[in-house]
Amino acid sequence: DAGVTQSPTHLIKTRGQQVTLRCSPKSGHDTVSWYQQALGQGPQFIFQYYEEEERQRGNFPDRFSGHQFPNYSSELNVNALLLGDSALYLCASSLLSDQPQHFGDGTRLSIL
Amino acid sequence: GDSVTQMEGPVTLSEEAFLTINCTYTATGYPSLFWYVQYPGEGLQLLLKATKADDKGSNKGFEATYRKETTSFHLEKGSVQVSDSAVYFCALTGNQFYFGTGTSLTVIP
Repeated sequence: DAGVTQSPTHLIKTRGQQVTLRCSPKSGHDTVSWYQQALGQGPQFIFQYYEEEERQRGNFPDRFSGHQFPNYSSELNVNALLLGDSALYLCASSLLSDQPQHFGDGTRLSIL
Repeated sequence: GDSVTQMEGPVTLSEEAFLTINCTYTATGYPSLFWYVQYPGEGLQLLLKATKADDKGSNKGFEATYRKETTSFHLEKGSVQVSDSAVYFCALTGNQFYFGTGTSLTVIP
C-alpha cells in the first residue's frame, strides 16, 4: 500500500519564477494538506483540500495556490518566488480533516 | 489562536537514559493531540496520539498523557536507544493542524 508520494524530491528555481509541486495521497485518503517547513522549524500549515475545494488556509499570501483533482491528488503552485520560499514542502493526507495525517517525504525547494 | 509550545533543544542523552520532552498547548475547544517524529531526510511519521483529556497515547515505548488541567502533552520514554535520534514535534488539531517548533534528540552510545 503506497503511502503519500511527492514529486519532485528536489527543485532549484530563481527569484520570480513559478513552481508546481505534486502530491498523491495515501490510498483511501480524501483530504490533502500542504505545509512549509523552514530549516530548523516546525511545519507551517499552508492549506487543506477536500472534495476539490480549499477548506482551510493558513497565513500564506495568494502567491500560494493549490488544486485537488478527482482522484484526490493535489498540486501546490507558488508564483513570483522569493528567496524566503526556500524550504521543505510537505504534503499530508488523511481520511478526515482532524484525523492523524500521513506525510510524504517532501519536496526540497531552493530559490537562488 | 491555537498554538503549541515545545521545550527548546537540542537534547543529548546517553543510551538507556530517561527522556522527557515538554509540550504545552493553547486551544479553544477540545483538540486532539499528537506527537510526530522526523528522521533525517524523511517526512514526519505519527508516533502517538490522544483524542481526549486523560487519554494516554503510546507507541514504541514512548508515552504521552493528555492533561487538560495543565494543558500539557509531555512525551516520555523510559530507556532511549540510539535509533531514537530524531526531531520530535508536538501537534494539535484545531481548525487546522498546529505544530511545535520541534525538539532535536541525539542519543549517544
